[in-house]
Amino acid sequence: DTGVSQDPRHKITKRGQNVTFRCDPISEHNRLYWYRQTLGQGPEFLTYFQNEAQLEKSRLLSDRFSAERPKGSFSTLEIQRTEQGDSAMYLCASSLVQTERAKNIQYFGAGTRLSVL
Amino acid sequence: SQQGEEDPQALSIQEGENATMNCSYKTSINNLQWYRQNSGRGLVHLILIRSNEREKHSGRLRVTLDTSKKSSSLLITASRAADTASYFCAQFERGNEKLTFGTGTRLTIIP
Repeated sequence: DTGVSQDPRHKITKRGQNVTFRCDPISEHNRLYWYRQTLGQGPEFLTYFQNEAQLEKSRLLSDRFSAERPKGSFSTLEIQRTEQGDSAMYLCASSLVQTERAKNIQYFGAGTRLSVL
Repeated sequence: SQQGEEDPQALSIQEGENATMNCSYKTSINNLQWYRQNSGRGLVHLILIRSNEREKHSGRLRVTLDTSKKSSSLLITASRAADTASYFCAQFERGNEKLTFGTGTRLTIIP
């Protein structure tokens, strides 16, 4: 399977704990995106990387959230001191963008569902 | 925050009928994309239409775009039970390197 993979698929944690999610994009893709999706809503952009550089972060991404893509391949999203409001599906997507006219079609992983008790 | 609105929020039709979903957006776009999401899963790209295009076809899918009204529609013809899913439009904005998703339409196909 050469699609986007995310691990774990489900995470249950207690409020105040730290959690880390991993995303492995499609291997030749240079862009990697993180989104958050709550029940009944569309995905909301959190942050994205071009290769290893984090180029944009949403205002939704509080200082408790940090993302890395150390070698321009896989990425991790860490949430510190989790709150119940962090409960959501966290989606990762990757794309190949080489020119300004690139379409930026994104390929999504199955997501990590986080439940904060 | 999400910038797109989709209409209807939910749609139930009989298998074999056509399903139409509408999407409105607020900003200038480079392209508009439609994605499908099965329950509890990731999103799958369906079709993309550029800002200078008015209509696009792919199999049973037809997408239209009206940039003067900032709206798009997705038509699924001859629906099948496997089409049951949530459908999202997403705008890729000029100078903005992310997709902005609408609120989605939950489509149920009744066998």
